Amino acid sequence: EAQVTQNPRYLITVTGKKLTVTCSQNMNHEYMSWYRQDPGLGLRQIYYSMNVEVTDKGDVPEGYKVSRKEKRNFPLILESPSPNQTSLYFCASSFDRLNTEAFFGQGTRLTVV
Amino acid sequence: DAKTTQPTSMDCAEGRAANLPCNHSTISGNEYVYWYRQIHSQGPQYIIHGLKNNETNEMASLIITEDRKSSTLILPHATLRDTAVYYCIVRPTGKLIFGQGTTLQVKP
Repeated sequence: EAQVTQNPRYLITVTGKKLTVTCSQNMNHEYMSWYRQDPGLGLRQIYYSMNVEVTDKGDVPEGYKVSRKEKRNFPLILESPSPNQTSLYFCASSFDRLNTEAFFGQGTRLTVV
Repeated sequence: DAKTTQPTSMDCAEGRAANLPCNHSTISGNEYVYWYRQIHSQGPQYIIHGLKNNETNEMASLIITEDRKSSTLILPHATLRDTAVYYCIVRPTGKLIFGQGTTLQVKP
């Protein structure tokens, strides 16, 4: 089954404790991205990757890092989480950046206290 | 990227067709119209997309006006499981820009 898998689904952490949210897709997609969703602000893109070792900033990249060492994986790294990064996070993938039939993961609800 | 305007909310009776409008008066020639939906904080789900012609798939139909300044997503027989936020997105490539969408409430 074609899918994008995020882990964990829920996470509560403390300010400053580094964490990684994993994202994996099984569709051999080139384009992957991370979004965060906040009430009243909608979904906003954090980072994206057009292929292995090619990543770029989205609209709200501050406080986040990503890597794309393999085609299937695109982890989101919070080196020093802060409470304003409490949010619902989604990973998405598509065949390429021109094809917007994007597949989304089920989301990771992160709370930073 | 072209801006879209959608009604904030709509109701629909179960079993009836749900017609969700979207205005995108500044759309340019190479921009597609895409529809996604999000059911209660789950990941957004792709529904359909089109450029000029009307499109239909197993989920919905997309009607785009001849001047391409507006479109309508049609769910032919809405069910309670179609209750969701529906997003109309217009952009040529890459990033998906989600607006506030239309909250569709399907009622028994």
